[in-house]
Amino acid sequence: GENVEQHPSTLSVQEGDSAVIKCTYSDSASNYFPWYKQELGKGPQLIIDIRSNVGEKKDQRIAVTLNKTAKHFSLHITETQPEDSAVYFCAASKGTGNQFYFGTGTSLTVIP
Amino acid sequence: DAMVIQNPRYQVTQFGKPVTLSCSQTLNHNVMYWYQQKSSQAPKLLFHYYDKDFNNEADTPDNFQSRRPNTSFCFLDIRSPGLGDAAMYLCATSRDGVGYEQYFGPGTRLTVT
Repeated sequence: GENVEQHPSTLSVQEGDSAVIKCTYSDSASNYFPWYKQELGKGPQLIIDIRSNVGEKKDQRIAVTLNKTAKHFSLHITETQPEDSAVYFCAASKGTGNQFYFGTGTSLTVIP
Repeated sequence: DAMVIQNPRYQVTQFGKPVTLSCSQTLNHNVMYWYQQKSSQAPKLLFHYYDKDFNNEADTPDNFQSRRPNTSFCFLDIRSPGLGDAAMYLCATSRDGVGYEQYFGPGTRLTVT
């Protein structure tokens, strides 16, 4: 089965700085890679996703890059704000049965 | 407007006392999932429904069962909760196919005393 690894597990940045979270996956058949933000006591919410036919996607301050050859993808948050503080999860899916395999999460703290 | 609703938000049950968690959706999605999430861990898939077809993860304990009486509703039954079953239980839905977003509910926090 798929194995998704995520690093770092915790990340602290100053407000206004950039944050980068990296994930690797093992199954080359995975072709959909979402990123979720989870705030305390809430369910995960999708913030950005990328499909395997695309190398990069950007939405305002958030971007995701995908390297299919190396089997890794990264989340980039620029101009971080305190409200970006949360746990971020990456995931990978092959589409078959729509099973999503999650990384272990990164706790991001943005220091005002 | 809430799209994936979970009830109750907080549930306290006694060791060994059966408990049922519910999930409903207004999205008409054909795939529904149940995840278990323990503190500081990633969500762990327990099982999912593709329409009425039930798909159990290999390592999901027999203590966990699920029912999906119709498209909108899905239930998680824990037959004999143990202390190790205390967790957040997340319901999610998606459309069939690759690249469709999973919509998560707010979760039910289960405490076992």
